[in-house]
Amino acid sequence: AQSVAQPEDQVNVAEGNPLTVKCTYSVSGNPYLFWYVQYPNRGLQFLLKYITGDNLVKGSYGFEAEFNKSQTSFHLKKPSALVSDSALYFCAVRDWQAGTALIFGKGTTLSESS
Amino acid sequence: EAGVAQSPRYKIIEKRQSVAFWCNPISGHATLYWYQQILGQGPKLLIQFQNNGVVDDSQLPKDRFSAERLKGVDSTLKIQPAKLEDSAVYLCASSLDQGTLGAPLHFGNGTRLTVT
Repeated sequence: AQSVAQPEDQVNVAEGNPLTVKCTYSVSGNPYLFWYVQYPNRGLQFLLKYITGDNLVKGSYGFEAEFNKSQTSFHLKKPSALVSDSALYFCAVRDWQAGTALIFGKGTTLSESS
Repeated sequence: EAGVAQSPRYKIIEKRQSVAFWCNPISGHATLYWYQQILGQGPKLLIQFQNNGVVDDSQLPKDRFSAERLKGVDSTLKIQPAKLEDSAVYLCASSLDQGTLGAPLHFGNGTRLTVT
């Protein structure tokens, strides 16, 4: 069965510092991986995805993520955090062979201080 | 491009009452999803439509939840009767044809349901 794990409920980072939000996944076939962000009282907004190709993918708002097949990880990163990045971040996976809907992790709250 | 529209934004009902949510997906998106997001958890898929057909409703509590997408465009999700544990945000999402597996989901702002 497909699953996604986000081991940290909350990540704290100072403005200007690099940030990492961790995600590991489990699928039977090749994964399609996604990151979404959710602001209070809003729906989820798509940030970036990995389908195939370069292991480092770039997305919206300066975010990027690194796919690591051997570690089954897809960590979200940003070189320099902004206070406005404070939000709830979700990792999601789809097994391309199963063709199912996205399976989401439980989310990680990013909290930044100025 | 207009986004996914959902209504109402908020709903408060008593247990055992019924409630319905409406969703209008992005124009041209054949696939529509309903997710349930309980506080502190990630969204959980309830049902997935491809046009007006159901692709996956394995996690839909069919004794109380129902959903339809009669004309392959907008959709309604109904709960009857509601239980306290149904308190959650109900998110609608849409995407291009299911065959495009790399296509991201586009979410509406959700309906926050409180059951008292």
